[in-house]
Amino acid sequence: QVQLVQSGAEVEKPGSSVKVSCKASGGTFSSYTINWVRQAPGQGLEWMGRIIPIFGTANYAQKFQGRVTITADESTSTAYMELSSLRSEDTAVYYCARAFCGGDCSVYWYFDLWGRGTLVTVSS
Amino acid sequence: EIVLTQSPGTLSLSPGERATLSCRASQSVSSSYLAWYQQKPGQAPRLLIYGASSRAAGIPDRFSGSGSGTDFTLTISRLEPEDFAVYYCQQYSSSPLTFGGGTKVEIK
Repeated sequence: QVQLVQSGAEVEKPGSSVKVSCKASGGTFSSYTINWVRQAPGQGLEWMGRIIPIFGTANYAQKFQGRVTITADESTSTAYMELSSLRSEDTAVYYCARAFCGGDCSVYWYFDLWGRGTLVTVSS
Repeated sequence: EIVLTQSPGTLSLSPGERATLSCRASQSVSSSYLAWYQQKPGQAPRLLIYGASSRAAGIPDRFSGSGSGTDFTLTISRLEPEDFAVYYCQQYSSSPLTFGGGTKVEIK
């Protein structure tokens, strides 16, 4: 059974960067996109962007453009999300989530599998 | 950007009762690309419904989704103790993908 296994909690200082990983355990990224969604404490869900691993192409929400970089290593079935210029408002749980990508990966799809989340705390 | 507004914010019900959750979009969600997720404290969201009305694998049939265009509904026919949670709708018809603010279903 495929699981998305995320890296552990991080504590970062304002202005620094954080890189969170997401590994597909028991499976591969074939036919899927990997999305990143964050949730600030007590708040709702916010989509940050996605990557199509077989193409290596990423799409980002305008809000995070220029500050977020999503990459993937197909050989290890691992995706990464790096967020730079961190501020206190970036304190959140960051989730990776899988979406099926059939014949047309330009289409967005629902998220059928989620990682357990990585808490990133930004504090001086 | 498609803004999703969920109502009510909180729904207080007893086990066995019917729950009706609403999700309204600021513009039409094409092809009914709307999903519903359930989230319990300390857990990741779980997919319940996709395509506005299709149940995800392993989801009990007491969960049903309906709607099209700008108005969508999630119905839980008879609440079980494990159904008390927060529910989010999500549109995936256009970027940026967006979520509603959530409806908390709590025990009355």
